[in-house]
Amino acid sequence: EIVMTQSPATLSVSPGERATLSCRASQSVSSNLAWYQQKPGQAPRLLIYGASTRATGIPARFSGSGSGTEFTLTISSLQSEDFALYYCQQYNHWPPWTFGQGTKVEIQ
Amino acid sequence: EVQLVESGGGLVQPGGSLRLSCAASEFIFSSYWMSWVRQAPGKGLEWVANIKQDGSEKYYVDSVKGRFTISRDNAKNSLYLQMNTLRAEDTAVYYCARGQVVGENWGQGTLVTVSS
Repeated sequence: EIVMTQSPATLSVSPGERATLSCRASQSVSSNLAWYQQKPGQAPRLLIYGASTRATGIPARFSGSGSGTEFTLTISSLQSEDFALYYCQQYNHWPPWTFGQGTKVEIQ
Repeated sequence: EVQLVESGGGLVQPGGSLRLSCAASEFIFSSYWMSWVRQAPGKGLEWVANIKQDGSEKYYVDSVKGRFTISRDNAKNSLYLQMNTLRAEDTAVYYCARGQVVGENWGQGTLVTVSS
């Protein structure tokens, strides 16, 4: 089973600043990597799939990059609604889907 | 807009059973793989199972194999998760999600609590 590791666990950022979240896979997952956003009490929402393709309705300030074992989610200018938990998930070797443990983006 | 509404959660004793349902609308249900993903309180996401459009393929995470069964009724636009021999570690919010390899759309979840 592929293990996904996200860093940092918590990221403190001021509104308007850039946030960079990392996700590492224990072995190559090619570009079969997705990112989700989850707010307290809500279901996850798909942000990015294919490592860099934004899902429908996702603002352009969200961008994904990487391939193989190293991936990045960048939020170019944090808005108040972006403070949330973010998960990466690989789907190159499934079952099972495997998720990272999450990165919490909080207001500095 | 895609709608997924889970139901059937609740409090159950260890060793008990529960059947979750997910009612789908605003998309052609029979054209999509469907999945169940769970989240223990304060924890991360864990994929549980998924099922092909016609039900001919089903996959499970190891921890639920032999205890949980995923199924669907395309005529009723509904997805199900039969959970038997429940354990305390199955306590979680259970989400249904549209998609084979990623959760394109998610329901709001239903809470399952396994406790005596």
